[in-house]
Amino acid sequence: TQLLEQSPQFLSIQEGENLTVYCNSSSVFSSLQWYRQEPGEGPVLLVTVVTGGEVKKLKRLTFQFGDARKDSSLHITAAQPGDTGLYLCAGENSNSGYALNFGKGTSLLVTP
Amino acid sequence: GAGVSQSPSNKVTEKGKDVELRCDPISGHTALYWYRQRLGQGLEFLIYFQGNSAPDKSGLPSDRFSAERTGESVSTLTIQRTQQEDSAVYLCASSLAPSAEQFFGPGTRLTVL
Repeated sequence: TQLLEQSPQFLSIQEGENLTVYCNSSSVFSSLQWYRQEPGEGPVLLVTVVTGGEVKKLKRLTFQFGDARKDSSLHITAAQPGDTGLYLCAGENSNSGYALNFGKGTSLLVTP
Repeated sequence: GAGVSQSPSNKVTEKGKDVELRCDPISGHTALYWYRQRLGQGLEFLIYFQGNSAPDKSGLPSDRFSAERTGESVSTLTIQRTQQEDSAVYLCASSLAPSAEQFFGPGTRLTVL
């Protein structure tokens, strides 16, 4: 099983602060995906990173894929209460070509 | 609706009973996935359907779990003789093609007493 370790597990910050969450593995992935999940809903895809060293930006969110394609990070600039949610990283499942392996997620709370 | 729907949204059952969970994928999506999310955990893959091919059951945790899909439409996940450790949110996702973006439903929260 390809394990994806996410850190920190919980993060509580105030509006306007910056933060970084991490997704690490000992396995190489052809791509990694980041999702955000809100209570009572399914995860929603934010971004897919494919190339080692790739950086993608989505408004205040910056995603980076490690050079060796084993890790990824998500940086949020000037966090807002609307950023509150569970952030999950996912990579392909080696046993099932199209299903995904998910990390346990980082639960982010942004208070006004 | 345009998204993936699941029913029921909540299910409470007694240990030993059978339960059936339903997923309606987005119309035209050929691939369908079931995942399980235990409290404080990430999603665990359970089973994958693609068109009329044999399903990939490699993630099913025991033979008490089974799933069916009629063509490229509705899928049902059945858990027989439920156990307390089966308590979780069961999420369904569909995608236009096997490698395409997966769209998730809101999940069914199962509680086994």
